[in-house]
Amino acid sequence: AQSVAQPEDQVNVAEGNPLTVKCTYSVSGNPYLFWYVQYPNRGLQFLLKYITGDNLVKGSYGFEAEFNKSQTSFHLKKPSALVSDSALYFCAVRDGEGTDKLIFGTGTRLQVFP
Amino acid sequence: ETGVTQTPRHLVMGMTNKKSLKCEQHLGHNAMYWYKQSAKKPLELMFVYSLEERVENNSVPSRFSPECPNSSHLFLHLHTLQPEDSALYLCASSQDAGGAAAPLHFGNGTRLTVT
Repeated sequence: AQSVAQPEDQVNVAEGNPLTVKCTYSVSGNPYLFWYVQYPNRGLQFLLKYITGDNLVKGSYGFEAEFNKSQTSFHLKKPSALVSDSALYFCAVRDGEGTDKLIFGTGTRLQVFP
Repeated sequence: ETGVTQTPRHLVMGMTNKKSLKCEQHLGHNAMYWYKQSAKKPLELMFVYSLEERVENNSVPSRFSPECPNSSHLFLHLHTLQPEDSALYLCASSQDAGGAAAPLHFGNGTRLTVT
């Protein structure tokens, strides 16, 4: 069965510093991987996805993610954090071929301090 | 402004009540989803509709009953719920549910409290 793990419940970073939110995955076959963000009192918003090609995927709001097959990881990164990036971040993987059903992680709360 | 609108935003209901959650998408998508979000748990997919046909039902209790009258509207009918059903219910839509990895577009959710 496909799964993703987000090992950190919360990540704290100072504004202007680089940030990393971790995600590891377990899939059979080729992974389709996603990052979503949830701001307070809102639904989830799509940030980026990896299907194939370049291991470094660029997404919305200056975020990027690095696909690492050998480490089965798909960490979300941003070179310089903003206070407005504070939110809940979800990693997800497609649950098999021929479906758009996603398996989500438990989420990581990112807190950016001024 | 999200292209997926959910009403109501908040709902408090007793265990014997019957209520419905409504979702409307203005994006021209052909697939719609219900997710349940509980604290400290991964999002749980409840139902998927593609072209108005239910294609996924993840062992959801029968006290939750979905309805998709057309590709723009999705309902979740609730009856005799339990306190553990209290959660944020999220509706989402996408273009195609056939594995093309189209991004999901979520509404802002209905916060349900069962007393």
